[in-house]
Amino acid sequence: DIQMTQSPSSLSASVGDRVTITCRASQSISSHLNWYQQKPGKGPNLLIFAASTLQSGVPPRFSGSGSGTDFTLTISSLQPEDFATYYCQQSYSIPRTFGQGTKLEIK
Amino acid sequence: EVQLVESGGGLVQPGESLRLSCAASGFTFSNYWMTWVRQAPGKGLEWVANIKQDGSERYYVDSVKGQFTISRDNAKNTLFLQMNSLRAEDTAVYYCARGLRSFDYWGQGTLVTVSS
Repeated sequence: DIQMTQSPSSLSASVGDRVTITCRASQSISSHLNWYQQKPGKGPNLLIFAASTLQSGVPPRFSGSGSGTDFTLTISSLQPEDFATYYCQQSYSIPRTFGQGTKLEIK
Repeated sequence: EVQLVESGGGLVQPGESLRLSCAASGFTFSNYWMTWVRQAPGKGLEWVANIKQDGSERYYVDSVKGQFTISRDNAKNTLFLQMNSLRAEDTAVYYCARGLRSFDYWGQGTLVTVSS
């Protein structure tokens, strides 16, 4: 199985900050990487698929990059509604696997 | 509007069975792969299983192979997860989600608690 490792596990930031979350795969997954946002008590929300394609309806302050084993999710200017937990997920092979999550908290 | 509504969760004892359902609406259900993902309390997301549009292909995470069965009824726009011989480590919120590679719609989840 492909292991996905996110860093950091938690992050404190302020409204307006630029934030970057990293995801590393245990083997090359090309660009088969997706990012989700999850708020407490809710199902996840797809932000980015295929490493860098913004899902319809997602604000452009979210962006993704990377290929192979190393990927990043960037939020260019944090908004109050962005404080949540973020997960990466590989779609290169089955079983699909997720990173352990990055909890983004208000500083 | 796309909607996925899970049901069937609850409190069961170890070794018992449960069948989860996911009612889909707002899209042509038979055109999509569907997936189950679970989340143990306070933990991350774990992909559980998926099923092809016509049910001809099904895949499972190793930890549930032979224990869980995913199925679908395209006439009723419903996805199922039959869970047998439940263990404490199966305690989680179970989400259904649309898609094969990325999951663009999710339900609100149904909680399964396995405890004596």
